[in-house]
Order: sequence, then C-alpha cells, then structure tokens
Amino acid sequence: EAQVTQNPRYLITVTGKKLTVTCSQNMNHEYMSWYRQDPGLGLRQIYYSMNVEVTDKGDVPEGYKVSRKEKRNFPLILESPSPNQTSLYFCASSFGGLAPLHFGNGTRLTVT
Amino acid sequence: RKEVEQDPGPFNVPEGATVAFNCTYSNSASQSFFWYRQDCRKEPKLLMSVYSSGNEDGRFTAQLNRASQYISLLIRDSKLSDSATYLCVVNKNTGNQFYFGTGTSLTVIP
Repeated sequence: EAQVTQNPRYLITVTGKKLTVTCSQNMNHEYMSWYRQDPGLGLRQIYYSMNVEVTDKGDVPEGYKVSRKEKRNFPLILESPSPNQTSLYFCASSFGGLAPLHFGNGTRLTVT
Repeated sequence: RKEVEQDPGPFNVPEGATVAFNCTYSNSASQSFFWYRQDCRKEPKLLMSVYSSGNEDGRFTAQLNRASQYISLLIRDSKLSDSATYLCVVNKNTGNQFYFGTGTSLTVIP
C-alpha cells in the first residue's frame, strides 16, 4: 500500500531533550516536506526537500533540522525542544512539480 | 497578507443542502491548486485538484478563477459524512512550496 509513515504518533517530552520524528514514504517521491499545524494558523511548512541531499527552509524552520540521506526517509530533528514547539506535525511527499501532497498520519508533540 | 485565505466558518447545513466554499490566494503566479479534506486531528487527504477549466467529481465541483485569484468548492446533496474541515492549498510558482488556508469547517446536520 502506498503510504507515508510517521513515528511516533504521540510524543511527550521535556524542554531541551533532543528528539527525532521519522518519516518514510514508499512511493518513490522526489519531494518531501514537514509541516506543523496549530489552531488558527493552519499548516505551516518547516522544511522541504526536492531530492536526496537537497533540503530547504520553509516558513518556520527555527528550532528544527532535517536530513535527506535516502530518498524514502526525511526525519525531523528537534535538537533542543521548547514548549512553543508543542504542535501537530505532518510529513508529506509528492512526485514534485505541481503534483499533490500525500500526508503521513501525524505526530502530536507536547513539550513541557 | 496571507498567501491563502479562507472563511473559517463554521458552516452548518442540513443534509441534502448545497454548500460552497471560496478561497483566495495572493500570488498571481501560483500554478497548482487543491482542495483537501481534514477530519478532526487526522491527516489532510486530497479531495480534488482544481483545474483551469473546472472539474467535477460526483457531488463535488471545483472551479478556478485566475483573474480574481480564487478557487471554489461546491458540494451538492450534502451527506453527514461530508462533515470535516476543507483546506484550500496553493502551490507557488516554483512548485516547491505549498501554502494552506486555515480551513473551513463544515457540519452537516441530520
């Protein structure tokens, strides 16, 4: 089944404790991206990647890192999480260009 | 100004009603447009792409007006299962960044 898989689904952590949210897709998509969704603000792009070893900042990259060492994986790294990073995170992928996005099922992160 | 703007609603309509949502976008060079459906706390799912000529998928019709920079979604014969948040999504001219509206909430009432 074609899908985007994120893990974990739920994560509660403390300020400053490094964490990684994994994202993997099995559709051979070139383009992958991360979003956070907050009430009243909609989905905002954190980082995106056009291909292996190619990553770029989205609209809200501060406090996040990503890597794209393999085509299928695009992990999101929070080196020192803070409470303002408490949010619902989605990974998405597409064939690129003007193709639509396919989303993972989300990671609800709480930083205390 | 936001890249994409939607009326957040909520829209509360009876079963069988026709309801329409609009969405405006600010970048005239935007090239691709989509409507997504999002159920509470779940991932957005593609409802339909929006083409310049307009397109229809069953009870759903999407339209694009480039001159006025808006897209619309029409839902006919609303079902209870249509209750969700509908997101307008626009892809900028570079094709690298997608911009989302904050969503329009629809509740279909029995």
